[in-house]
Amino acid sequence: EDKVVQSPLSLVVHEGDTVTLNCSYEVTNFRSLLWYKQEKKAPTFLFMLTSSGIEKKSGRLSSILDKKELFSILNITATQTGDSAVYLCAVGYGNKLVFGAGTILRVKS
Amino acid sequence: KAGVTQTPRYLIKTRGQQVTLSCSPISGHRSVSWYQQTPGQGLQFLFEYFSETQRNKGNFPGRFSGRQFSNSRSEMNVSTLELGDSALYLCASSLYWTGEGKNIQYFGAGTRLSVL
Repeated sequence: EDKVVQSPLSLVVHEGDTVTLNCSYEVTNFRSLLWYKQEKKAPTFLFMLTSSGIEKKSGRLSSILDKKELFSILNITATQTGDSAVYLCAVGYGNKLVFGAGTILRVKS
Repeated sequence: KAGVTQTPRYLIKTRGQQVTLSCSPISGHRSVSWYQQTPGQGLQFLFEYFSETQRNKGNFPGRFSGRQFSNSRSEMNVSTLELGDSALYLCASSLYWTGEGKNIQYFGAGTRLSVL
């Protein structure tokens, strides 16, 4: 059975801290790994990773994939209160995605 | 460019009834996927449509069905509602079914279904 495990389940940090969110997976047909941020309702797209070892970066957020060890990390540097959200990791083939349970991040001012 | 639009935003039904949810994808997107999100199970894949054809299906009972129209708009239907069907139903659209970068899924705000 396809499985995506995220850790930690929740995290509380102070503004300015750096956080690392983890995602490990076991899927039968891997093509891509995606990260989403969910604040209220709609998950918003952050990154798509398909190749191992290539870091994707967007502002203070970055992510990397290790296809040999079957995991990915999402880093957020200099956290802000606006980063408070649930971060979702999803893997799969085509548009059939298997999601992890998410990491709840709370950034305190 | 307008995002993914889901209607209605909220819905209250009673057990045994049926419900139809609607999703309008981003203009130009041809693939639409549906997900169910609950506190206990998280986000679970229901099915995906591309060019009016169901491409993939998740592990949900036959009470859950969907379709896609020629303009890529999609509907999902749940018949004989059960209390456990209460959830946020999310729709996501992408340009294509597969292909690096072309199948990034963009989500709508969802329909919150409550079954009483």
